[in-house]
Order: sequence, then C-alpha cells, then structure tokens
Amino acid sequence: GQQVMQIPQYQHVQEGEDFTTYCNSSTTLSNIQWYKQRPGGHPVFLIQLVKSGEVKKQKRLTFQFGEAKKNSSLHITATQTTDVGTYFCASNSGGYQKVTFGTGTKLQVIP
Amino acid sequence: DVKVTQSSRYLVKRTGEKVFLECVQDMDHENMFWYRQDPGLGLRLIYFSYDVKMKEKGDIPEGYSVSREKKERFSLILESASTNQTSMYLCASSTGTSGTDTQYFGPGTRLTVL
Repeated sequence: GQQVMQIPQYQHVQEGEDFTTYCNSSTTLSNIQWYKQRPGGHPVFLIQLVKSGEVKKQKRLTFQFGEAKKNSSLHITATQTTDVGTYFCASNSGGYQKVTFGTGTKLQVIP
Repeated sequence: DVKVTQSSRYLVKRTGEKVFLECVQDMDHENMFWYRQDPGLGLRLIYFSYDVKMKEKGDIPEGYSVSREKKERFSLILESASTNQTSMYLCASSTGTSGTDTQYFGPGTRLTVL
C-alpha cells in the first residue's frame, strides 16, 4: 500500500528557533494534508494542498507541496511553546476515501 | 462544529476478553475510520466504512472487526483481546463527498490489555 515517510521523528528546538518537518512518498500523491496533535489530544486538521508546487501560509506556518507531488514540508518560523505537539502529514490513496498518515514529527519547544 | 465522540477515554481489559469500542459522529458523515496510534508508528488504519453496513480493511485489520449498523455509529471489536493490542484507538469521520476530505477525530480511547 501507499507509504508516507516523515522526518525527523523528534525535534527539540529553543523557543524562537525555526522548525521544519518533511514528508516523502515513493509514489505521486493526489493531495497532502497536515494535522497537529497536542499532547494528550487528538489530531486536528491544519491544511490541505492539492496542486504541484503549492505553497500556503497560516501565520508562522508555511506548507509546501513538491513539484512532483511526492513530498511536502511544514515550516514553523520562530517557534512558540504553543507549537508543541506532533505534526502528521496524510494523503488520500488515489480516488478512495482511505487516508494514509505519516509517522509524525514530535516537536518540543524549550522556553 | 463536527463532533466525534468515543465511548471511553480509558479502558482496561484482560487477555481474551471481547472488547467493544464505540464511536459516534453527529455530522451525517459518510465515512468513518478506526486507527490505532503507537509511539514511532504514527496512525495506522485498522478499518474504515464508507456507508452503512459497508466496511473495508485498512493496513492492520488482523485481530479486529467492525460494525456499522447506523450511519452515525462505527464500532471496533476486539474478539479476543491480546496484550499487543494495548494502544490508543482513534475514531475519525469525513464527509465522503470528494477524495480530499478532512478527517475529524474523536478524543481517543487508551486501551490497556493485561
């Protein structure tokens, strides 16, 4: 089945530093979604990208979808303690409703 | 707001017991999903359903079954619980109107099998 790899698995940053997580697939993705899971919480949808080379921003968060639609990244500028959590990428398997999730990147922000 | 609820936040069962995890969504969504979440493995799909009485195996269906008798309710069943099924179980739903649906998650059930 479709596999989506995500790196790094863990990242500790000093508050104010930038953070990036990467999502890679061996096959072309129809779309990419990003979710955030706060400690003790459940995944919450952040954004979806569908076009090749697409870039979207949400305040300090920048999301990119690769030109070949096989990779994506989430970049956080000047991290804050509220950014703590696990970030997951996810993608639909072609025309099906099934969504495959990446392994997640757990972000710790040191005040 | 979409609301997905799960019957229990925490559950402790013994090996060999039959376990039912219930999930209910209130937004008339077509699709419902069961995942388990384990450290370092992310979210792995167990089963999903795109309509009442319909079900599809996910990536790790072994040891699990599901039931969807009503649109709003999707149950995960562990016929004979084993210790390797100790995990966080997350239910999700999506509208089913396109191939780019957002998933809405419930709060999760942390199951411990002794």
